[in-house]
Amino acid sequence: GENVEQHPSTLSVQEGDSAVIKCTYSDSASNYFPWYKQELGKGPQLIIDIRSNVGEKKDQRIAVTLNKTAKHFSLHITETQPEDSAVYFCAAAAGRRALTFGSGTRLQVQP
Amino acid sequence: DTAVSQTPKYLVTQMGNDKSIKCEQNLGHDTMYWYKQDSKKFLKIMFSYNNKELIINETVPNRFSPKSPDKAHLNLHINSLELGDSAVYFCASSQEVVVGRGTYGYTFGSGTRLTVV
Repeated sequence: GENVEQHPSTLSVQEGDSAVIKCTYSDSASNYFPWYKQELGKGPQLIIDIRSNVGEKKDQRIAVTLNKTAKHFSLHITETQPEDSAVYFCAAAAGRRALTFGSGTRLQVQP
Repeated sequence: DTAVSQTPKYLVTQMGNDKSIKCEQNLGHDTMYWYKQDSKKFLKIMFSYNNKELIINETVPNRFSPKSPDKAHLNLHINSLELGDSAVYFCASSQEVVVGRGTYGYTFGSGTRLTVV
């Protein structure tokens, strides 16, 4: 089955700096790569996703890049704000299989 | 107008008891899931239903039994609860965008924190 590895496990940045979270996946059939943000006491919330026929996608301050050859994808958050502090998860899925999640990155944005 | 709602939000129970968690989605999605999040925040798929039909059943003890009375509801029943069952359980739903090409855009509920004492 799919195996998704995520790094780093914790990330602390100053407000206004950029944050980058990286993930690798094992199943070359995977074709869908979403990112989720989980705030304390809440369920994961989809923030951006990318499909295998696209190399990069951007939505305001967040962007995701995908390298299918190397089987890795990354989340980039620019101009970080304190409200970006949360746990971020990457995930991957192939076809109708359920999402396999990475282990999560706790992002702390220092004011 | 909550999209995916789970009840209860908190559940504290003794070892050996039987309990159920309910999930309902009003998004019109055709696929629903149960995920378990352990104390280290790791999210692991347990079950998946598509139009009331079980399509994914990961290696989960048979004390866990999902039931889907219709495509908007997916309940989780747990028998003979053990200390290791303590976790947060998330229900999610998604819609197959193109038949056979997979589902996208999971929407998660707010979770049920189960504590077994």
